[in-house]
Amino acid sequence: GENVEQHPSTLSVQEGDSAVIKCTYSDSASNYFPWYKQELGKGPQLIIDIRSNVGEKKDQRIAVTLNKTAKHFSLHITETQPEDSAVYFCAAWSGKSTFGDGTTLTVKP
Amino acid sequence: GAVVSQHPSWVICKSGTSVKIECRSLDFQATTMFWYRQFPKQSLMLMATSNEGSKATYEQGVEKDKFLINHASLTLSTLTVTSAHPEDSSFYICSATGAGATDTQYFGPGTRLTVL
Repeated sequence: GENVEQHPSTLSVQEGDSAVIKCTYSDSASNYFPWYKQELGKGPQLIIDIRSNVGEKKDQRIAVTLNKTAKHFSLHITETQPEDSAVYFCAAWSGKSTFGDGTTLTVKP
Repeated sequence: GAVVSQHPSWVICKSGTSVKIECRSLDFQATTMFWYRQFPKQSLMLMATSNEGSKATYEQGVEKDKFLINHASLTLSTLTVTSAHPEDSSFYICSATGAGATDTQYFGPGTRLTVL
């Protein structure tokens, strides 16, 4: 089955800095890669996604890149704000989602 | 759009009782619903996948008789934890696809179950 590894497990940045979270996957059949933000006590919220026929996607301060050959994809958040602090999960879809272990992002004001 | 609700948001029950959690897609017809379990500071663990009108597909290691899933309509799926025990205490989250791309999941807010 699919295996998704996510790094780092914790990330602390200063407000205004950029944050990068990286994931690798194992199943070459995976073709959809969403990123979720989860705040304490709440369900995951889809923040951006990318499909296997695209290399990069951007939505305001958030961008995702995908390298199919290397089987890795990354989340980039620029100009971080304290409200970006949360747990971020990557996932790979091949009929169902397999999630990474999550990254706790802390943005210090 | 693409809103998924869960009810209740939290529940406390005594050991040995059964608890039912509802998952509803409010503004779209859910072709598939997924049930996850999440322990504190851990990732989401898929428990089962359900399609309307058919039996749920359970992940390996998930007890079918313990976690009963019913997907009776295109907007409602229920998870019943039967004879709950303290080790069943967890955060249960559902998601649904069907609003747009078939692989885009929309998650509910989760249900916190505490078994005393």
